[in-house]
Amino acid sequence: QQQVKQSPQSLIVQKGGISIINCAYENTAFDYFPWYQQFPGKGPALLIAIRPDVSEKKEGRFTISFNKSAKQFSLHIMDSQPGDSATYFCAASSSISSGSARQLTFGSGTQLTVLP
Amino acid sequence: GAGVSQSPSNKVTEKGKDVELRCDPISGHTALYWYRQSLGQGLEFLIYFQGNSAPDKSGLPSDRFSAERTGGSVSTLTIQRTQQEDSAVYLCASSLYQGPYTFGSGTRLTVV
Repeated sequence: QQQVKQSPQSLIVQKGGISIINCAYENTAFDYFPWYQQFPGKGPALLIAIRPDVSEKKEGRFTISFNKSAKQFSLHIMDSQPGDSATYFCAASSSISSGSARQLTFGSGTQLTVLP
Repeated sequence: GAGVSQSPSNKVTEKGKDVELRCDPISGHTALYWYRQSLGQGLEFLIYFQGNSAPDKSGLPSDRFSAERTGGSVSTLTIQRTQQEDSAVYLCASSLYQGPYTFGSGTRLTVV
């Protein structure tokens, strides 16, 4: 029930195209859904995050769509650029009962390649 | 500091040796997390700290793994009697309470 399932494992998109990465979860206690971007040799960096009280959040070219009833959320990258080529991880968490930390459960990652 | 610092960045060790991995979180961050990333895999949760205490150690793969945090700051992950399956990138992150994680660049551990 703690799993977050992510697809596809890899994605190749032409420059200017739309990249879409999907995630699904089971644990209805999850209340925070971030996406992380990781470049080779670096740690993951927070890209954008959403809470289940909204269905969509947009920041620049990046949009999260959230479907609470289906327990699914997705990342859309509009006008994809070669510099977006990286590994993307979705994640989910619930507030830890003690209240002062938040444990994230990560998806398995999507390796995005944007062709010039 | 400005970011989460992990050392060493790379470590090659012989099977059966002990290793220590260090994490310096962002100053003032209350929570610290350790994750493991195997080649081409997602991030596997190992352990987290609130202050100096570790309420949940269930993610540690075996009793060869241990971690501590002192002074509410630096944390050390120790792997005893390393095995080849321990080879991975070990990532540390910190956060202010339930805020966003900031990850370090990780320690790449290779057991030969």
